[in-house]
Amino acid sequence: NAGVTQTPKFQVLKTGQSMTLQCAQDMNHEYMSWYRQDPGMGLRLIHYSVGAGITDQGEVPNGYNVSRSTTEDFPLRLLSAAPSQTSVYFCASSFTDFGGAEQYFGPGTRLTVT
Amino acid sequence: GENVEQHPSTLSVQEGDSAVIKCTYSDSASNYFPWYKQELGKGPQLIIDIRSNVGEKKDQRIAVTLNKTAKHFSLHITETQPEDSAVYFCAASIFHPSTPTGDGAGGGADGLTFGKGTHLIIQP
Repeated sequence: NAGVTQTPKFQVLKTGQSMTLQCAQDMNHEYMSWYRQDPGMGLRLIHYSVGAGITDQGEVPNGYNVSRSTTEDFPLRLLSAAPSQTSVYFCASSFTDFGGAEQYFGPGTRLTVT
Repeated sequence: GENVEQHPSTLSVQEGDSAVIKCTYSDSASNYFPWYKQELGKGPQLIIDIRSNVGEKKDQRIAVTLNKTAKHFSLHITETQPEDSAVYFCAASIFHPSTPTGDGAGGGADGLTFGKGTHLIIQP
């Protein structure tokens, strides 16, 4: 199994541009989530999904959209990039809910918005 | 919502000594407390977790203790080795069986709430 994969690994955007961060998992996990990691801030939940067709907001959802059309994929869309969205983004998946299952994290996407 | 405080932000110990990282949480409903290790350039990886019905759990050189009354939990690493150098994150989970509704029930997001991390440095 490849586990959780993320593309791209690095990305530079100009303010106002849009882009999609890709995330895929091959473990047949129902739960998938997106986090952003900023220095001194830990990991903060952006959006999550408990299954295909079901998504919900996390702690910091503004400026991001998600969809879950398949079990395997959970893309994160930046609608109009802002410098405040410069961060490292991690996708994670788990077999069941957050309250008891290991989260498997991808390798991350480092995004810089200029 | 849940708030997780983690201390210290940086911890330097001599190889072979023990390291302790402490976390406190705010929501007494939290019942799952994992610890993640993040090596440079990689995503976090679970190293140990504990549920609220257990006071202590060990896995070789790593142990976690939980005090529900005081709402704090700690990671203990004994006989530290150079490969233990990394950033460690504690987390707490508020599990609502009826999720997701998106209606803000509970006043915050569902999912893991992470501490801000501890950079553990093992001095040779």
